[in-house]
Amino acid sequence: EVHLVESGGGLVYPGGSLRLSCSASGFNFSDFAMQWVRQAPEKGLEFVSAINGNGATTYYADSVKGRFTISRDNSKNTLYFQMSSLKPEDTGVYYCVKDRVRWSGVSEYWGQGTLVTVSS
Amino acid sequence: IHLTQSPSSLPAFVGDRVTITCRASQGISNYLAWYQQKPGKAPKLLIYAASTLQSGVPSRFSGSGSGTDFTLTISSLQPEDFATYYCQQVFRYPYPFGQGTKLEIK
Repeated sequence: EVHLVESGGGLVYPGGSLRLSCSASGFNFSDFAMQWVRQAPEKGLEFVSAINGNGATTYYADSVKGRFTISRDNSKNTLYFQMSSLKPEDTGVYYCVKDRVRWSGVSEYWGQGTLVTVSS
Repeated sequence: IHLTQSPSSLPAFVGDRVTITCRASQGISNYLAWYQQKPGKAPKLLIYAASTLQSGVPSRFSGSGSGTDFTLTISSLQPEDFATYYCQQVFRYPYPFGQGTKLEIK
């Protein structure tokens, strides 16, 4: 059974940094692209970033490009999201997502999410 | 590529047949997925490739469309179907979601 468990969320000041982690199990982690999708309070879903199976290819939403970095350690079955220069509008629940196949963009499995709050 | 979902809110009765539409600003072939989200929970994949039902999803859910116009249909609403539904295009990055349709009990 696929399990995705996010950690690392919390309260941070504007301009601060935070690193999210997602521990994956139940599938061959290196075979699948992974994503981060976020949801601001009472708002809709927003694709934020994606990375392919070997970590060589990454994509970012324009809203986070240059501030956030997605990476993965396939030896540890872990996905990371380094967030810097955080803004209040980055506040929300961040979901770790497994692609349905090697690279399709379709979000088959979701973690429970970790809350990031950017506020002074 | 932008997605426009309608309606944003849909009151309905248990047993109703309902349809949610999703329109893309340009053609995306069949690269569209649908998700269901209940309050306080992570989204759940319902349909991918516009019309393929994800394993374990009840057959009362169906999807159709290609190009720019897509629909999600629930043939007979059950109490557990009242939730918010999102479409997402996976044709080209970034992969935007529609703004969501909240299905509410009438």
